[in-house]
Amino acid sequence: LAKTTQPISMDSYEGQEVNITCSHNNIATNDYITWYQQFPSQGPRFIIQGYKTKVTNEVASLFIPADRKSSTLSLPRVSLSDTAVYYCLVVYGGATNKLIFGTGTLLAVQP
Amino acid sequence: DAGVTQSPTHLIKTRGQHVTLRCSPISGHKSVSWYQQVLGQGPQFIFQYYEKEERGRGNFPDRFSARQFPNYSSELNVNALLLGDSALYLCASATRGLAGYNEQFFGPGTRLTVL
Repeated sequence: LAKTTQPISMDSYEGQEVNITCSHNNIATNDYITWYQQFPSQGPRFIIQGYKTKVTNEVASLFIPADRKSSTLSLPRVSLSDTAVYYCLVVYGGATNKLIFGTGTLLAVQP
Repeated sequence: DAGVTQSPTHLIKTRGQHVTLRCSPISGHKSVSWYQQVLGQGPQFIFQYYEKEERGRGNFPDRFSARQFPNYSSELNVNALLLGDSALYLCASATRGLAGYNEQFFGPGTRLTVL
């Protein structure tokens, strides 16, 4: 049974690096992992996407180990405005009906 | 450029009624996907349409249906509403292809309350 799980919440302080993990069992070789950020009363916003090793863009990095059963979103030097819910998304086996968002992680950044 | 737009913003219905939600994708985007997000949970995939054809369907009952028009806008229809259908309904557009393999741009959602 495909399942995508995340820690419910995390706390951090401004300026720290934050790492949020996502566990995705039954992931296949070519399944992509995507991360989204969501603020209250808004739709999710794309952060980063990858399917192996490491991907980096201007706002985050995504680390995917060799077994691909988990992935880690890394946010460098968070600020108060990064307080939001973060979701990972996996399409298992390339089947759209197995497009599964994770349970979501509420990141609370304190001054 | 305008982002993804959805209408209405909020909607209140009673059990057994029917509802139609509308979505306009970003100009040039041919893929539209619909999601249901219950309060406190992650979005759940309902449908994807690409080039006016259904390309994917999540585990939702037949009371849920959708279509995509020649201008790539889309409608989500829900019949025989249940209390459990109360949720935020999100629409997302993408340039192409299978939802989940491309960056999706989400609209602000329609908040549906079923009494």
